[in-house]
Amino acid sequence: AQSVTQPDIHITVSEGASLELRCNYSYGATPYLFWYVQSPGQGLQLLLKYFSGDTLVQGIKGFEAEFKRSQSSFNLRKPSVHWSDAAEYFCAVEGNEKLTFGTGTRLTIIP
Amino acid sequence: KAGVTQTPRYLIKTRGQQVTLSCSPISGHRSVSWYQQTPGQGLQFLFEYFSETQRNKGNFPGRFSGRQFSNSRSEMNVSTLELGDSALYLCASSGQVYNSGANVLTFGAGSRLTVL
Repeated sequence: AQSVTQPDIHITVSEGASLELRCNYSYGATPYLFWYVQSPGQGLQLLLKYFSGDTLVQGIKGFEAEFKRSQSSFNLRKPSVHWSDAAEYFCAVEGNEKLTFGTGTRLTIIP
Repeated sequence: KAGVTQTPRYLIKTRGQQVTLSCSPISGHRSVSWYQQTPGQGLQFLFEYFSETQRNKGNFPGRFSGRQFSNSRSEMNVSTLELGDSALYLCASSGQVYNSGANVLTFGAGSRLTVL
């Protein structure tokens, strides 16, 4: 069975600073990987996805993620965060006809 | 085009009651999935429907059930509610078919259920 680990429960960064959220997955085959963002009281919005090909994928809102098969990782990055990026971020892997999510990382932005 | 619509957005029930939640997928999407989100367990897969057939089910008791109609709208039902059923229930739709490539889910805003 597939699984996703997000080791950081909560991260605080200053506005304008760079960001990296970690994600490690376990899946036997070629993974389909996703990052979703959830603002308070809202559903999940897709930031980006990796299916195949280029291991560096670009998403919305200036986010990018890099797939590293050797490390089973799919870390999310942003060069400069904005206060509006404060939210909870979920990494997910598709397998067995469903998405399996990590436990999420809550991002706090300080002025 | 309109996104995934879930109703009601908020509801309060008491233990032992039952509840029905509704989900209208994006027009043209035939796959609907349901997830439960709680602080303790995170996001957990409930079930997935495609063309009125349940194709996959998560590890939840039989009190949790669902169905899909011919217009792809879906409902989920929870009977004999327990305090632990308090959660955000998220519906997601997809225009792709599993096993044909990666399945991109678009989520609704959720239905927040509180069981007292």
